[in-house]
Amino acid sequence: RKEVEQDPGPFNVPEGATVAFNCTYSNSASQSFFWYRQDCRKEPKLLMSVYSSGNEDGRFTAQLNRASQYISLLIRDSKLSDSATYLCVVNIRTNAGKSTFGDGTTLTVKP
Amino acid sequence: EAGVTQSPTHLIKTRGQQVTLRCSPISGHTSVYWYQQALGLGLQFLLWYDEGEERNRGNFPPRFSGRQFPNYSSELNVNALELEDSALYLCASSRPNSYEQYFGPGTRLTVT
Repeated sequence: RKEVEQDPGPFNVPEGATVAFNCTYSNSASQSFFWYRQDCRKEPKLLMSVYSSGNEDGRFTAQLNRASQYISLLIRDSKLSDSATYLCVVNIRTNAGKSTFGDGTTLTVKP
Repeated sequence: EAGVTQSPTHLIKTRGQQVTLRCSPISGHTSVYWYQQALGLGLQFLLWYDEGEERNRGNFPPRFSGRQFPNYSSELNVNALELEDSALYLCASSRPNSYEQYFGPGTRLTVT
């Protein structure tokens, strides 16, 4: 079983739709969680950190469920520019500095 | 604020050669991370440097090595290149005591 698992998709949604991605992690000692977006053949860009209390940044909401060991990303009012691959990232307390990236979920927003 | 920079942008090498990739972190960042991303695949953690020391290493053979300089810039060295080393090599940096990583544009290495 992979340490971090994501549904690869692709998710194809119309503009204006709400879409949610989940990411599960296997190690209960996981400490820090992030969402990144990566455009085709580009570097990943930090989208948001995920806090225990959840956090929101404009149309994006991230949540953490430690009991079920998953994080989620909700995108409201999808834009064409949201089309990208979304990566979840997990840091484990006992293996500091080694970030484990999920393989990503591909989102395509269509007009 | 300047972002993470990497050089070169592209590189073509033949099997058995050696290569050195370079990374300059964002000003004020003390940690540098190296990742390998083969075409169509996910990011694989290679190395983490912090304050000049190697702090953690991924599941890669010893021919992948690197160092961090006093100015926090870093080099990744790959010896005895193999065809499967062809990939995008990404460098990221972070502030002290933070795991929020900011990536450079990468070096695309092709081994023929």
